[in-house]
Amino acid sequence: ELKVEQNPLFLSMQEGKNYTIYCNYSTTSDRLYWYRQDPGKSLESLFVLLSNGAVKQEGRLMASLDTKARLSTLHITAAVHDLSATYFCAVDGNAGGATNKLIFGTGTLLAVQP
Amino acid sequence: EPEVTQTPSHQVTQMGQEVILRCVPISNHLYFYWYRQILGQKVEFLVSFYNNEISEKSEIFDDQFSVERPDGSNFTLKIRSTKLEDSAMYFCASSWDTSRQAFFGQGTRLTVV
Repeated sequence: ELKVEQNPLFLSMQEGKNYTIYCNYSTTSDRLYWYRQDPGKSLESLFVLLSNGAVKQEGRLMASLDTKARLSTLHITAAVHDLSATYFCAVDGNAGGATNKLIFGTGTLLAVQP
Repeated sequence: EPEVTQTPSHQVTQMGQEVILRCVPISNHLYFYWYRQILGQKVEFLVSFYNNEISEKSEIFDDQFSVERPDGSNFTLKIRSTKLEDSAMYFCASSWDTSRQAFFGQGTRLTVV
């Protein structure tokens, strides 16, 4: 059974600092997603990572994927308050091809303090 | 920009009652999904639906749950006899195919009392 773990679960950081959220998954998967969720809101897609070594960047966020280590990272550069949210990674549950049966990580609650 | 819309945004129901959660997927999408998120926990897959059939379902999706696409635009999740533990945020999602990312609706918060 595919398991997806994130750490840390909670991250309090100061504006302007850098930090990394880690996402480990237990079995081979075809693709990995990062989502952002604001309180009481839906899941906003941030990145889709499809291959080993994939790196994507959008503003202050950069995501990477190492399929051999079964690890993805979400790096935050020079955090600003607007980045405060819960971040989820999710892995496609089918190793043999995409199904959109997503297995989500536990989420990382990011609080950026002024 | 096209989006998935869900109604209602919040529903309160008594234990044992039936509820129907409604979703309008993005119009040219062919695959539809329901997920749920119990308060403070992670998002869990319930079911995927394509061509008027369930493609895959999780162990959470037992006989109390059913899905339907009653017309060309709506996609519904029915819970026949709600339990307290069904209280959660339910998200609908849709995609063009399974290799394209799914877009999520804003969710329906279901509270069973």
